[in-house]
Parts: sequence; C-alpha cells; structure tokens
Amino acid sequence: GAVVSQHPSRVICKSGTSVKIECRSLDFQATTMFWYRQFPKKSLMLMATSNEGSKATYEQGVEKDKFLINHASLTLSTLTVTSAHPEDSSFYICSARGQQYSTDTQYFGPGTRLTVL
Amino acid sequence: LAKTTQPISMDSYEGQEVNITCSHNNIATNDYITWYQQFPSQGPRFIIQGYKTKVTNEVASLFIPADRKSSTLSLPRVSLSDTAVYYCLVGGETGANNLFFGTGTRLTVIP
Repeated sequence: GAVVSQHPSRVICKSGTSVKIECRSLDFQATTMFWYRQFPKKSLMLMATSNEGSKATYEQGVEKDKFLINHASLTLSTLTVTSAHPEDSSFYICSARGQQYSTDTQYFGPGTRLTVL
Repeated sequence: LAKTTQPISMDSYEGQEVNITCSHNNIATNDYITWYQQFPSQGPRFIIQGYKTKVTNEVASLFIPADRKSSTLSLPRVSLSDTAVYYCLVGGETGANNLFFGTGTRLTVIP
C-alpha cells in the first residue's frame, strides 16, 4: 500500500517552455500532497503544500506564479513549471499524506528530473 | 518547528550493525519520529516511525529514550545496498512540522 507515482520521470526542455509534472496516489486518497525540490548533494526543500480543492500554500521564496500547483482530486496533484529557465533544473519530488493513516506519514513519489537547456 | 540534527556521514563495513542518532531537542508532545532512506535520483522511502521506547520492523529498529529528545535508527547487518542517505523527521498528526528535511546522514557501506 501507499504507492505514489510521478510522471514523467525525466524531462528535458528548452528555456522558456512550461513543464507539467503529475503526482498520483495509486492506492489511497491523499488529502494533502507536497512538492519538494532537491539539488545535487543537497537535502529536500519543501516548495508547497496542496490540499484537495483549495489553493496551495507556498513556502517563503517560492514563486507561486512560476510553480503552479493544482490538486484537482484526492489522487492527483500537478506541478507546472512555467517559463522554465536553466536554474529551474532540479529533481522534483512529490509526497502524499492520507486520512486513513493515523500518524503523520508522508509517502514519496520516485521523483522527476527536470533539465532546462 | 522541531529541528533535527544528524551526523553528516558515516562509514560501516558490510555485515555490521549501524546506529544513526538524530537529535530533536524541541520535540513537541504530539510529534512522531519518522526515518526515511533515499537513494540517488529516487524519492525518499519510509523506513520506520515511532513515538516512544522501541519500534521494530523487518528492516530496522528505532530506539527512543524517555525524554524523546533524540532517536536512534538501528540497521542490523548492513549490506552494500544500504548505502544511502538517511533522514529523520519529527512531526505530529496536526500539522506540518515533519515536512522539513535536515541534512540527513550519508551512510557508506564498505565491502
């Protein structure tokens, strides 16, 4: 149980284009999903928290107009990197938390490697 | 926000038991302690979670002293495939405290 998938696993795009990353909870309903970014040899940095049916909450320093998050259903959240630039190249990881779990455990997706040329 | 502190790195020989300690001095009453394992270019994988005393599952044990200001992840008889970064997070049922990752501990298992 508690499987989270991400798509695509890897994407390469040109500077100025937009990229959408999907995060799905496959076998549970995720009331809350989280998006992280991780640079090489660094720890995960929380970008935003999204609750189903409401606007995402962004961490300080994360531009909400650049990183668009939509949590349209209890099993799907999407992150769109708009007008991507080389400095947006990173490893993006989502996680999900479900109501059926009695403790505050997050389950992570496999990550998406974004390379902006 | 319960901040965690872990050793940056550890080395161990294959077959040995490895103990990684995490300090969380300002842990709140409702906070749980969760450990994750991360391999390069993969998302973190849940290892174990506990609130107090000792928790054991098929891959690890978690020791939490009475004051809960620290916790120790114990990996029995490590193998080369256990080389990874291990993160401890502290947080509770009500909110977002466990969403912030510390530096993690980079464990290298040596043949």
